[in-house]
Order: sequence, then structure tokens, then C-alpha cells
Amino acid sequence: DAKTTQPTSMDCAEGRAANLPCNHSTISGNEYVYWYRQIHSQGPQYIIHGLKNNETNEMASLIITEDRKSSTLILPHATLRDTAVYYCIVSADYKLSFGAGTTVTVRA
Amino acid sequence: NAGVTQTPKFRILKIGQSMTLQCTQDMNHNYMYWYRQDPGMGLKLIYYSVGAGITDKGEVPNGYNVSRSTTEDFPLRLELAAPSQTSVYFCASRTQGAVIYNEQFFGPGTRLTVL
Repeated sequence: DAKTTQPTSMDCAEGRAANLPCNHSTISGNEYVYWYRQIHSQGPQYIIHGLKNNETNEMASLIITEDRKSSTLILPHATLRDTAVYYCIVSADYKLSFGAGTTVTVRA
Repeated sequence: NAGVTQTPKFRILKIGQSMTLQCTQDMNHNYMYWYRQDPGMGLKLIYYSVGAGITDKGEVPNGYNVSRSTTEDFPLRLELAAPSQTSVYFCASRTQGAVIYNEQFFGPGTRLTVL
């Protein structure tokens, strides 16, 4: 699976949009981009995934560049409960490889 | 649905002891996984199973064994506990299907300390 690069940490103001970048420059054509998050050492939670097109669900939006070498997860209105470690993963099969992720702290 | 449940929540083992971490899911998922997470690190895949009777090694299988006799249960066995196995262990499951459906559901984890 392709490797991903994420910033180690970022802060966000409550109520503002949080934009989480991820680089995956070696992504293959059949690999999907997945985002998970882990709140305070709980089990990770699926957020969203995509292949080529931008995706949106009730939790977040995923923007994938046209060349698919990077993506951005957008939390539209961050709340304190969104404080977590966010993992960007690329995978073409039923296994996922978690890196260190981005620690996002939402501040009041 | 209870989802993915794990027992115990916490355990302290002495070096050389053995134990089994239990994992059960009630979603009729075919795929099940065991991960470990060391402090400040991401999750690493230990073993996985694509269905009852079928298991395979992940990234860090040494020191562990698994079995899958039913769809619901996927126990992880530590035979000779070592301090390097001190970690948080997560079990996960997903439904069978195309890669596009690779949403894994995680249990709450088991915190294991080996002294």
C-alpha cells in the first residue's frame, strides 16, 4: 500500500472548519483513500473514503486532488468532541495500515 | 447490536504467563482483525481472518496465535508474555464485500501490561 504523510499536529478553533492535509504521492490507481479517527485511545472510527471524486457525509468532506497525490479531510464546524488523532490511509485491499496520524486539538 | 466487544478491558501479566484476549462481533461480519497500538504510535496489524477457519499473519504476528472457529469470535492468544507485548490491543471487523466497503468497526480495546 502507498505511504501517507500527515502533519504531526494541528489546532483548530471551535466552530471553524478544520482542514486536514494528507500526501500520498505514490498512490496506485486502484487504491482508495480512507480517513479514520481515534478519540482519546478508544478504538478508531471510520469517517469517510474516496477513490477519485470528492465525497461528503454527515461527518466530513473529502477532497482528492485530480492527480490523486494528495487529499484534504474537512470537518465543516469543528467541536470540542472532534479532538482526536486523524489517520489518512490508502489501501487497495481489505487491510488497513495506520501511521502516526495527525493530532487535532479543537480549542474553545 | 453490541458491535465488537473485547474482554478483558485491562490485564497485568507476569513475564512468561499466557492469556487469551477475547473478541466477539454480532454483525455477522466475515472479516476480523487484531491490532496492537504502542504509546504514541499508530495501529499495527497482528493477524486477520477472512472467515471461519481462515486466518493469516499481519505485520507483527510473532508471539501471538489466533483461531477462528465461528463467525462471531476471534480470540488472540499470547503464549509466553514478554514486556515488549505491553500494548493496547484492538479487535475489528468488517463485512465481506468489495474494497470500497472497507469500513472497519473497532472494539474498545484491551490494555495489557507485562511486568
